[in-house]
Amino acid sequence: SQKIEQNSEALNIQEGKTATLTCNYTNYSPAYLQWYRQDPGRGPVFLLLIRENEKEKRKERLKVTFDTTLKQSLFHITASQPADSATYLCAPTDSWGKLQFGAGTQVVVTP
Amino acid sequence: GAGVSQSPSNKVTEKGKDVELRCDPISGHTALYWYRQRLGQGLEFLIYFQGNSAPDKSGLPSDRFSAERTGESVSTLTIQRTQQEDSAVYLCASSPDRYQETQYFGPGTRLLVL
Repeated sequence: SQKIEQNSEALNIQEGKTATLTCNYTNYSPAYLQWYRQDPGRGPVFLLLIRENEKEKRKERLKVTFDTTLKQSLFHITASQPADSATYLCAPTDSWGKLQFGAGTQVVVTP
Repeated sequence: GAGVSQSPSNKVTEKGKDVELRCDPISGHTALYWYRQRLGQGLEFLIYFQGNSAPDKSGLPSDRFSAERTGESVSTLTIQRTQQEDSAVYLCASSPDRYQETQYFGPGTRLLVL
């Protein structure tokens, strides 16, 4: 069956450092992969999308990589700030637009 | 502009009762999705609407769960004879169409079945 794995342990990081989150998937060949941010008590908010033929995508302080051979995506937050503290969800998406979400990784940025 | 709204924001019910959860998508969005999120877990897909038809209901966990949508507007998720395991946050999302990849989420309805 399809499986999506994200670091289950919270990532504690000091302000200004780079946070790196991992998303691994198995038994799945997504056409693209999305990352969402979820704050407590709120719905997820879209951050970035990367397609299977793209290696890297950037948006401001965020960077995503996508390795279809390793079946892995890495999500980086550079120069992290306390406001970046949230849970980050990985969502591989098939060519029909159907998303499957990982359980998410909580990031805590301390001043 | 207005985002996706859901009501009620919180619902407490007794085991065995029926509940209705409402979703108002962003105006003009033809695709609508329902997800369930249990505490500390990821989002589970429940059902997808394109307009008022539901081509993908594969995530509905049992026949106690049903959903409908009026045109390209409001959707209602109904859970009959609720069980304690139904306690979760129910999230609704919409997108301009299924192939518009980004989904816009509402704040969710927190359902607690006692």
